[in-house]
Amino acid sequence: SQTIHQWPATLVQPVGSPLSLECTVEGTSNPNLYWYRQAAGRGLQLLFYSVGIGQISSEVPQNLSASRPQDRQFILSSKKLLLSDSGFYLCAWSPGQASYEQYFGPGTRLTVT
Amino acid sequence: DAKTTQPNSMESNEEEPVHLPCNHSTISGTDYIHWYRQLPSQGPEYVIHGLTSNVNNRMASLAIAEDRKSSTLILHRATLRDAAVYYCILSMAAGNKLTFGGGTRVLVKP
Repeated sequence: SQTIHQWPATLVQPVGSPLSLECTVEGTSNPNLYWYRQAAGRGLQLLFYSVGIGQISSEVPQNLSASRPQDRQFILSSKKLLLSDSGFYLCAWSPGQASYEQYFGPGTRLTVT
Repeated sequence: DAKTTQPNSMESNEEEPVHLPCNHSTISGTDYIHWYRQLPSQGPEYVIHGLTSNVNNRMASLAIAEDRKSSTLILHRATLRDAAVYYCILSMAAGNKLTFGGGTRVLVKP
């Protein structure tokens, strides 16, 4: 069966520090991968999605970047965090073909102080 | 992506049915209707999806209006574990990008 992992589960970082969040998927190959952010009390916002290694599409211009160095690995990064980067970050995957379902990871709660 | 409109919140009693409405008057012919739910401090969970016909699965039923401008998610017997935010989302089958709105917060009372 397929599983999705995210780490860390929680993170507290000062303003101006770098960020690296990792997401890995097991039990499937060539998945579509997604990064979402949910600010406190808000809905989910799609940040990036990827259909293959090295292929990243950005949905919202911002202080963040994403990379996909391996087929089942998706990384969210920032060189300098802002207070507004605080939120609940969720990674998701879907089968490579057109699929009606996305499967979400447990999320990382980031607080920028 | 076409926009959806949902009530902010709804209350239900345990073991009673819950009907969650969603309006999507600008839906296009190729848009699928998806429902996800998010329990507190967790990632969203797929519930159900449909295009034109009503759909049933182990979690819920989806009733789609004939003109497709609205739909209703039906939880047949609400349990306390069904308390969550329910999102109605439109998305084309290919690409599978999801745009989440505010959703409906469902409170289930024992």
